[in-house]
Amino acid sequence: EIVLTQTPGTLSLSPGERATLSCRASQTVTSYHLAWYQQKPGQASRLLIYGASSRATGIPDRFSGSGSGTDFSLTISRLEPEDFAVYYCQQYGSSPLTFGGGTKVEIK
Amino acid sequence: QVQLQESGPGLVKPSETLSLTCAVSGYSISSDYFWGWIRQPPGKGLEWIGNIYHRGSTYYNLSLKSRVTISIDTSKSHFSLKLSSVTAADTAVYYCVRVRGVGIFDYWGQGTLVTVSS
Repeated sequence: EIVLTQTPGTLSLSPGERATLSCRASQTVTSYHLAWYQQKPGQASRLLIYGASSRATGIPDRFSGSGSGTDFSLTISRLEPEDFAVYYCQQYGSSPLTFGGGTKVEIK
Repeated sequence: QVQLQESGPGLVKPSETLSLTCAVSGYSISSDYFWGWIRQPPGKGLEWIGNIYHRGSTYYNLSLKSRVTISIDTSKSHFSLKLSSVTAADTAVYYCVRVRGVGIFDYWGQGTLVTVSS
């Protein structure tokens, strides 16, 4: 099983600042099969990035994903008020499909 | 717009079977996608449970495989989860999802909390 470790656990930033979230895998994630999701209380979770760097439909271009192998990152170039949420990475290159523990982006 | 809505009992007794249904609207459940279940214990991370294709083939997380059954009813546009012999460790918010490709969860339900307690 591929274990995904997300850092930091919490990121305290102000609107307009840049956020960089990290996701490290215990083994190589094959074929860039890495996705990122946004989770907010009481709302359906939202797919942001798949294939490590492809934005899902309707996702603003301030969200970008990068990385390969075992090291991946999600960057939010300028935080908007609606971006404060919990973010999860997920690998779908091997079974079982696994998620990271999440990074909470909170308002400073 | 694809919408998924979970339903089922919010309280299940230990050793009994948890049963949930996911109603799909805005998209044909018979089209070329998998459908799946994910859970999240309170205050913890996400765990993939399993996926099902509209023709019935299933893929389960081996950690739960002996207790899990996912089924699909295309005539009713819904799919279901059964988890047997539940314990308090199965207390979680359960989400149903649409699965693109080999495992991208592109649409999620809002989730339903199931508590296992006597």
